[in-house]
Amino acid sequence: DSGVTQTPKHLITATGQRVTLRCSPRSGDLSVYWYQQSLDQGLQFLIQYYNGEERAKGNILERFSAQQFPDLHSELNLSSLELGDSALYFCASSPRVDTQYFGPGTRLTVL
Amino acid sequence: AQSVTQPDIHITVSEGASLELRCNYSYGATPYLFWYVQSPGQGLQLLLKYFSGDTLVQGIKGFEAEFKRSQSSFNLRKPSVHWSDAAEYFCAVGARSNDYKLSFGAGTTVTVRA
Repeated sequence: DSGVTQTPKHLITATGQRVTLRCSPRSGDLSVYWYQQSLDQGLQFLIQYYNGEERAKGNILERFSAQQFPDLHSELNLSSLELGDSALYFCASSPRVDTQYFGPGTRLTVL
Repeated sequence: AQSVTQPDIHITVSEGASLELRCNYSYGATPYLFWYVQSPGQGLQLLLKYFSGDTLVQGIKGFEAEFKRSQSSFNLRKPSVHWSDAAEYFCAVGARSNDYKLSFGAGTTVTVRA
């Protein structure tokens, strides 16, 4: 158990819908990272927050957005969902900005 | 840009045999290198990491990895594999100049036969 929690574990929704994935980092970790794992793209970095501020952006679609709240939990919002957005979404947290500890992931299925 | 190549998509090894997973990275300066393991339906667990210093690093579950700058490699090894080592293994590279965001290889799936 890494200490990073993600909810929900599974999410099934329809195309065009909007969902919110939640991540609680390990106690004291200021950095939160979001990754997407799909069969065709592998593991891809989406976005990073550090103490509430956006720090780095990767291959994140404009339909996706994220934020980190004062209590350091983070949410990833996915809108206008498409079939291709079906994937495992991981959150990771880091005590500094080097080693990342991953949560169990949220499996999103878009029908 | 940083990138990682894991040349082997799938490896099958007998229980008790040794295992070596290959990883080659591309990055201009000294990278931060990681190996993660993902069991079916699970998240990624950190096995070990290399930042600097001794090029042979020890990790959890009896794994070790060796950083070879001349070969741009960071291969993972285990002397004697257990059935519970069956999983997918990911090599990743990060860098301070890139805010430590990780670039992952495509992964190597390890099957352990009795």
